Amino acid sequence: EVVLTQSPGTLSLSPGERATISCRASQSVRSPYLAWYQQKPGQPPRLLFYGDSNRASGIPDRFSGRGSGTDFTLTISRLEPEDSAVYYCQQYVYSPWTFGQGTKVQI
Amino acid sequence: QVQLVQSGGGLVSPGGSLRLSCAVSGFTFSDYFMAWIRQAPGKGLEWVSFISHENDYADYSDSVKGRFTISRDVANNSLFLQMNSLRVDDSAVYYCARCKGAVTPALDYWGQGALVTVSS
Repeated sequence: EVVLTQSPGTLSLSPGERATISCRASQSVRSPYLAWYQQKPGQPPRLLFYGDSNRASGIPDRFSGRGSGTDFTLTISRLEPEDSAVYYCQQYVYSPWTFGQGTKVQI
Repeated sequence: QVQLVQSGGGLVSPGGSLRLSCAVSGFTFSDYFMAWIRQAPGKGLEWVSFISHENDYADYSDSVKGRFTISRDVANNSLFLQMNSLRVDDSAVYYCARCKGAVTPALDYWGQGALVTVSS
């Protein structure tokens, strides 16, 4: 099983600051097979990025994703209050599909 | 617009069974892989199962293999998860989700979630 380890566990930042979330895989994951999600309390997750850093529909360009191999990063530039959420990475190249444990962003 | 509407959650005793449903609309159901994801209270996301668009292949997490069965009814645009031999640690919110593509099956649309509580 591919283990995805996210860091940090929690980020506390101010509006306008930059958030950087890391997702490290226990074995190499080709970038088309990694995605990022945002989940707010009481809501289902929302797809942010997939494939080769493809931004999902409706996602503002202050969200960006990059990485390859075992190291991937989600960056949120110019944080806004509505970005408060838990963020997850996910790989779907190996079965079982696995998620990171989540990073909570507090603004 | 794409919609996934879930039903079927509830309280069940350990060892019992439950069937979750996910009614989809706004897209051609038979063109897409579909998946079930669950989230225990206060915990992270856990993949449960996916099924191919042609209904000829399915995969399961080890934690549910042999107990859960995913299926789809193309005529009625519905996805199902039959859950048998339920255990206390199966308690979670269960989400159905559409896989964006067969090659890059990121989960691009999600149902609202159905709470399953396994307790005596």
